[in-house]
Amino acid sequence: QLQLQESGPGLVKPSETLSLTCTVSGGSIRIKGYYWGWIRQPPGKGLEWIGNIYHTGSTNYNPSLKSRVTISVDTSKNQLSLKLTSVTAADTAVYYCARRNGGTSQSDPWGQGTLVTVSS
Amino acid sequence: QSALTQPASVSGSPGQSITISCTGTSSDVGSHNYVAWYQQHPGKAPKLMIYDVSNRPSGVSNRISGSKSGNTASLTISGLQVEDEADYYCNSYTSSSTWVFGGGTKVTVV
Repeated sequence: QLQLQESGPGLVKPSETLSLTCTVSGGSIRIKGYYWGWIRQPPGKGLEWIGNIYHTGSTNYNPSLKSRVTISVDTSKNQLSLKLTSVTAADTAVYYCARRNGGTSQSDPWGQGTLVTVSS
Repeated sequence: QSALTQPASVSGSPGQSITISCTGTSSDVGSHNYVAWYQQHPGKAPKLMIYDVSNRPSGVSNRISGSKSGNTASLTISGLQVEDEADYYCNSYTSSSTWVFGGGTKVTVV
């Protein structure tokens, strides 16, 4: 059974870079036909799509975050990563990783999420 | 890209049916059938309930159904149960090869 687990610092200072990792177990991140993505949810608010990466390495990002976001994959570690630069308090959120079947809107499974707070 | 429009809240009594709407544009909901719905209980990760407008993943109750007309997708929960009380989000692919969520709907079973 495929499982995803997010990890990273729970506290990041303003203007610094947020870096998170999503470890995939029970399956390979190299399998063709899947997108691996990040979604976030500020406390008490709705979901926001951040971006995704295809098995070919092709990426798509939310236009509102595109200048600050990088999503990559480390196949040797079976991990997905997220880097968000120049963070502010508005980037405080629970960050989720998820897998989506290519050619569908089926995103499943999701990780349990990790809370990142931006504060000095 | 603008968030899809959902009602902030919908309520119903046990056994009743409710419908949640998700309104977008011809550049997202109206342009293809890549619309999904997620259920989220407090403190939990979202759970996929419907994908590609009307498909139910294995294990999801057949009380859950989805549909679409023009730029509006809908999620219907029939035979409402207490366990259905949660937040629901729609999610659509866009013509810019990105994805957008709705603002979320809180379902209350009264």
